[in-house]
Amino acid sequence: QVQLVQSGAEVKKPGASVKVSCKASGYTFRNYGISWVRQAPGQGLEWMGWLSGFNGDTNYGQKFQGRLTMTTDTSTSTAYMELRTLTSDDTAVYYCARVAAVGAGTGYCFDYWGQGTLVTVSS
Amino acid sequence: EVLMTQSPATLSVSPGERATLSCRASQGVSSNLAWYQQKPGQAPRLLIYGASTRATGVPARFSGSGSGTEFTLTISSLQSEDLALYYCQQYNNWPGTFGPGTKVDI
Repeated sequence: QVQLVQSGAEVKKPGASVKVSCKASGYTFRNYGISWVRQAPGQGLEWMGWLSGFNGDTNYGQKFQGRLTMTTDTSTSTAYMELRTLTSDDTAVYYCARVAAVGAGTGYCFDYWGQGTLVTVSS
Repeated sequence: EVLMTQSPATLSVSPGERATLSCRASQGVSSNLAWYQQKPGQAPRLLIYGASTRATGVPARFSGSGSGTEFTLTISSLQSEDLALYYCQQYNNWPGTFGPGTKVDI
């Protein structure tokens, strides 16, 4: 079965960076993209960026341009998300999600999600 | 950016009753609309895509309808395990945008 397993919770100080991993199994990693979506405490879902499982191409939300980097290690079917220059506003649960192959839209629909990684930014 | 709104913000339903959740897009999104269920402390789960197609393993009591700008998620007979937040999401326009959610409780 398809599974996305994320790394554990992190506590960071303002100005630091965080790197979260997402290990995929149960499907051919190269055939699907991965997106990262975050959810601040008590808030809704916010898309951050997309990463190709095939060739590592990326596109990022404008809000995160310049401080977000997404990478892959196809040998281990793992995707990574690094967010730099953290502030308290970055405190959230970060999810990786597989992009579903549905529809003709240019946006992303997500059929499987990781369990989430809580990132807390506090001095 | 396509703005998504959902109503009501909270829906109180008794077990066995029908629940109807609404979602509206600020511009037409064809049928490129998904619904997700999120229980407390859990990741979202895809319920519906293509506005009306149930995802794998989703019970038949969940159904979706609509196209363009108006969409509906119906839970035909609410079960206690259906208490959750429900988000709609359009993926017609890059990158896709989520609604604010409807909380279903008893």
